[in-house]
Amino acid sequence: EVQLVESGGGLVQPGGSLRLSCAASGFTFSSYSMNWVRQAPGKGLEWVSYISSSSSTIYYADSVKGRFTISRDNAKNSLYLQMNSLRDEDTAVYYCARLAELNYFDYWGQGTLVTVSS
Amino acid sequence: SYELTQPPSVSVSPGQTASITCSGDKLGDKYACWYQQKPGQSPVLVIYQDSKRPSGIPERFSGSNSGNTATLTISGTQAMDEADYYCQAWDSSILYVFGTGTKVTVL
Repeated sequence: EVQLVESGGGLVQPGGSLRLSCAASGFTFSSYSMNWVRQAPGKGLEWVSYISSSSSTIYYADSVKGRFTISRDNAKNSLYLQMNSLRDEDTAVYYCARLAELNYFDYWGQGTLVTVSS
Repeated sequence: SYELTQPPSVSVSPGQTASITCSGDKLGDKYACWYQQKPGQSPVLVIYQDSKRPSGIPERFSGSNSGNTATLTISGTQAMDEADYYCQAWDSSILYVFGTGTKVTVL
């Protein structure tokens, strides 16, 4: 059974940093591209970042470019999101999601809440 | 940038058919997929590659995509289908784009 379990969310002040983790199991993690998707309270889904299976290709949404860094450790079956210079508008539930071959997200984690507030 | 527009809400009576549209420029030239999200839960894929259903998704969920519009159809809608629904596509300019979301209410 595919499982994605996020952790690392919490309350942080504006300008602060936070590192999210996503532990994967039930599939060959190193064979799949992975993504972070977020959802602000009461709002829709927003794609945040993509990383290819070998980490050779990385993309970011314009809203987080230069502030967030995605990475992965295939030996540990883990995905990460380093978030720096956090803003109020980064407050959201952050989901890790596995990317299927034709650019859709076939499995999602349960999400971790990040709250940016003073 | 590329945008996908959905109606904010759709209401349907139990047992009837609900249709949710997703509009975007030349969307029919891309693959569209759909996610269902119930309150407090993670999104669940219900349709991919325009019209395919993942394992475990009931047959009452179907999809189509042509021209500028993709459509998710729920036939014989049940109370358990009450949720938010999001379309999603891939575009070379913005990469992964989600629709604005539609709240389906089963009255």
